[in-house]
Amino acid sequence: SQQGEEDPQALSIQEGENATMNCSYKTSINNLQWYRQNSGRGLVHLILIRSNEREKHSGRLRVTLDTSKKSSSLLITASRAADTASYFCATDAWNQFYFGTGTSLTVIP
Amino acid sequence: DAMVIQNPRYQVTQFGKPVTLSCSQTLNHNVMYWYQQKSSQAPKLLFHYYDKDFNNEADTPDNFQSRRPNTSFCFLDIRSPGLGDAAMYLCATSRGLAGKDTQYFGPGTRLTVL
Repeated sequence: SQQGEEDPQALSIQEGENATMNCSYKTSINNLQWYRQNSGRGLVHLILIRSNEREKHSGRLRVTLDTSKKSSSLLITASRAADTASYFCATDAWNQFYFGTGTSLTVIP
Repeated sequence: DAMVIQNPRYQVTQFGKPVTLSCSQTLNHNVMYWYQQKSSQAPKLLFHYYDKDFNNEADTPDNFQSRRPNTSFCFLDIRSPGLGDAAMYLCATSRGLAGKDTQYFGPGTRLTVL
C-alpha cells in the first residue's frame, strides 16, 4: 500500500510553540498534500507540494519534501488553540491516492 | 456559498437494512468521491466518479454501491450494512483528479449500525 505513515501519532504542545509532524511514504510520488480535520468534521486542504519542489509556505505553515528519503514534514509556527485537529498527508502516485495515518495535534491554551 | 453538503449528518440503521447517504455540491466539480473513515483512522477511498465514469477501488466491498445522476449529486448505497460498516462517510469533490487538485470535503455522515 502507498499509505503514508505519520509521526508522531499524537502531539501535545503549548500555545505559541511550533508543531512539527512527519509523513513517510513507500513509492515515488507526483505530489503530496496536507489536510486538516477537526474532530467529527470533513477534511480541509492546507497545501500541495509537487515532487520537484523542496519547500512551500502558506501563512504559518511550512511544508518540506525530501523525495530521496520519501518523507515530508509539516511545521506549524506559533501554534494556536484553534490549530487543535488531526493532520493527514496524502500522496498521489500515478493515479493512486492515499491518505496517511494522521497526527492528532492538541494545542493547550 | 459554494460547498459540499451531506445529508443526513447522522444516520442510524439496522443490521442488514439498506441505507442511502447523499452528497450534493455547488462547486460544479467534475469529480466526486466517497470515503469511509473509521475512528482514529485515515479516510479510505471507496470509489469516485469522474463526470459519469465510475471508478471503484479494488478492495471496496460489493455491499457498497454509488450513483451519480447528475453533476451535483452523488449517492452512496449500502445494500446490507454490517456492524463493521459503522463509520464516518465523507464525500469530497475536486475539479481534476485527487492527486493533482484540491479536494473539498463535506462535513460527513456518521453511520451507526444497530
